[in-house]
Amino acid sequence: DAMVIQNPRYQVTQFGKPVTLSCSQTLNHNVMYWYQQKSSQAPKLLFHYYDKDFNNEADTPDNFQSRRPNTSFCFLDIRSPGLGDAAMYLCATSRVSQGAGGYTFGSGTRLTVV
Amino acid sequence: AQSVTQLGSHVSVSEGALVLLRCNYSSSVPPYLFWYVQYPNQGLQLLLKYTSAATLVKGINGFEAEFKKSETSFHLTKPSAHMSDAAEYFCAVSDQNTNAGKSTFGDGTTLTVKP
Repeated sequence: DAMVIQNPRYQVTQFGKPVTLSCSQTLNHNVMYWYQQKSSQAPKLLFHYYDKDFNNEADTPDNFQSRRPNTSFCFLDIRSPGLGDAAMYLCATSRVSQGAGGYTFGSGTRLTVV
Repeated sequence: AQSVTQLGSHVSVSEGALVLLRCNYSSSVPPYLFWYVQYPNQGLQLLLKYTSAATLVKGINGFEAEFKKSETSFHLTKPSAHMSDAAEYFCAVSDQNTNAGKSTFGDGTTLTVKP
């Protein structure tokens, strides 16, 4: 089945130690998004890729970076995780030509910072 | 700018009772509207969507929602709640002209189903 896969499901990292979260998709969607979701809150958009074009949200901290080496993969890099970065990170995809299609989400990566 | 407001952060119903989760939107252009469900430690799953076709939209798991432009609402309903419906529900909006189909999510409503 076509899907969005996030690895790992759970990640524990040390304060200040760089960490990378991974997302892959078999849907051939041209847009990929990274959301941060803290407990009992709405998902907050960090950035998205429209094909190869990177689009950062204005309030996304510089500590967060992303890479999309090809259509299928997208990575979230946190350069120096702080305790406040502990959250669920959600990857989502959509086909912009079908903007009304909504998103397909991965299962998320829960990040713990110790 | 677009936004959604979900009225009631927590809703509790008895098994077999009607489920009603409220969502009001604000958008300067015709919107696309979505409802997603999230189970604990999972990603969000699309339940249904409104895309300017029929105003009454049927989704998965017996849920439906009605788009009411005059009330700027898109409430989610299910006639009879099951225990398995207990989850977090998010309403989302995107406008038809938005770049890359970006959606804005509401704060979510936690649905509890009592036996």
